[in-house]
Amino acid sequence: QQQVKQSPQSLIVQKGGISIINCAYENTAFDYFPWYQQFPGKGPALLIAIRPDVSEKKEGRFTISFNKSAKQFSLHIMDSQPGDSATYFCAATLPASGSRLTFGEGTQLTVNP
Amino acid sequence: DAGVIQSPRHEVTEMGQEVTLRCKPISGHNSLFWYRQTMMRGLELLIYFNNNVPIDDSGMPEDRFSAKMPNASFSTLKIQPSEPRDSAVYFCASSYSAGNTIYFGEGSWLTVV
Repeated sequence: QQQVKQSPQSLIVQKGGISIINCAYENTAFDYFPWYQQFPGKGPALLIAIRPDVSEKKEGRFTISFNKSAKQFSLHIMDSQPGDSATYFCAATLPASGSRLTFGEGTQLTVNP
Repeated sequence: DAGVIQSPRHEVTEMGQEVTLRCKPISGHNSLFWYRQTMMRGLELLIYFNNNVPIDDSGMPEDRFSAKMPNASFSTLKIQPSEPRDSAVYFCASSYSAGNTIYFGEGSWLTVV
């Protein structure tokens, strides 16, 4: 059973635009929601993460918005750059699960120059 | 910090052959994960170790797959016999079990012909 659903599957944005990727989860026991960035030929790397006690977290051009009641969270990339072109995965973990991640399906982002 | 080290990076093998993938986690990390990535199924958790003990192997596809962690600095994932449908990228990852950030290796790209 897929517990974290991610959309869109792919996204094309012009340089300087805003990229928005959405995720929805089912298990209300999840307590940590990271986003991972993966470049071709590389492993996923942590980009930014949020806990459900806050509604927003910002790090540079990257912002997570979290809606606990709707069981949704999203990644916003402001001023998108060609170097942001990668696959982005949302994920979730359960408490006391040893950081075990349940991943969304992934979004392939292309930022055109 | 050397990061999570995986070997081999690429392997092409014939159906029926045994495949062994190796992983050295980040020193001091006590949780280790094996993930498989395919276009069809995304990132799937195969098995999770904590303090060298397998905690959850429910993601291991079938008996052809086995994983071991003989000590804190080494783990193997073995496929015997391999089949074409096992072709995928296999990622090893590690973390502190008390933390939430998982660090991935660069993956082992397996092709079974």
